[in-house]
Amino acid sequence: QKEVEQNSGPLSVPEGAIASLNCTYSDRGSQSFFWYRQYSGKSPELIMSIYSNGDKEDGRFTAQLNKASQYVSLLIRDSQPSDSATYLCAVAGGTSYGKLTFGQGTILTVHP
Amino acid sequence: GAVVSQHPSRVICKSGTSVKIECRSLDFQATTMFWYRQFPKQSLMLMATSNEGSKATYEQGVEKDKFLINHASLTLSTLTVTSAHPEDSSFYICSASKRQGPINQPQHFGDGTRLSIL
Repeated sequence: QKEVEQNSGPLSVPEGAIASLNCTYSDRGSQSFFWYRQYSGKSPELIMSIYSNGDKEDGRFTAQLNKASQYVSLLIRDSQPSDSATYLCAVAGGTSYGKLTFGQGTILTVHP
Repeated sequence: GAVVSQHPSRVICKSGTSVKIECRSLDFQATTMFWYRQFPKQSLMLMATSNEGSKATYEQGVEKDKFLINHASLTLSTLTVTSAHPEDSSFYICSASKRQGPINQPQHFGDGTRLSIL
C-alpha cells in the first residue's frame, strides 16, 4: 500500500466547473497536509496548507481534511485553463518530522 | 515571503564532469533543505535531507559519495553530482523550510535544475 495515494487521472473538467482532487494517506500520525501545483517542466508551487480537520478556503481553492478517514481533498471552483497542471498531495509529520511524502499526482485538464 | 533560488537552471555537460547546484533561501532562514530528483512523468523522489552544520541524511539507494551535499549556512545548500553519467540526467529540485515548533512547515521549492549528461 502506497503511503499517499492519489488518482493519477487525467481529470478533465470544462472551464468554469468545480474540479475535485482527492488524496488518502496511511500514516495516522501525519500532522500537516499540503497541496502543490506543478506545471509541466516546472517545480512544484505551494497552493494550500491544512493542519486541522475541516475546510480551509483561499480564493478559488478549498482544502478539506478528515483525519479520521485519513482523507484530504482540494476543490478548485470556477476552473480556468490556466489551472491545467499536475496537483501533488503531500503529507508530513508522523514518523519523520519535516519530510514530505508525495502522492503520484493528479493530472488536471481544464478545457475551454 | 519564502523565496527559494536555485542555480543553474540548466546544465549540459560531458560524461565524467562534476556539476554543482546551489540552493538559496532568499528571505528566510532555512533550518532544513531537501534535494529531490524527478524523472519524466514521475513524482518527486527525495534524495536527501540537509540540516545546517551537520551531515546530510540520504534516502535509501542514494549514493552519498556520488551526490555530495553541503549545508554551510542557514541560507545555502549545495548538491554536487560527481563524475556525472548519462543516467544521472534528470530534473533536480531543492526545497527549504523553516522549523517553527512541532508543526511541519511547508516546503518551498526552487525552480529546479535540468541536468543533461552527454
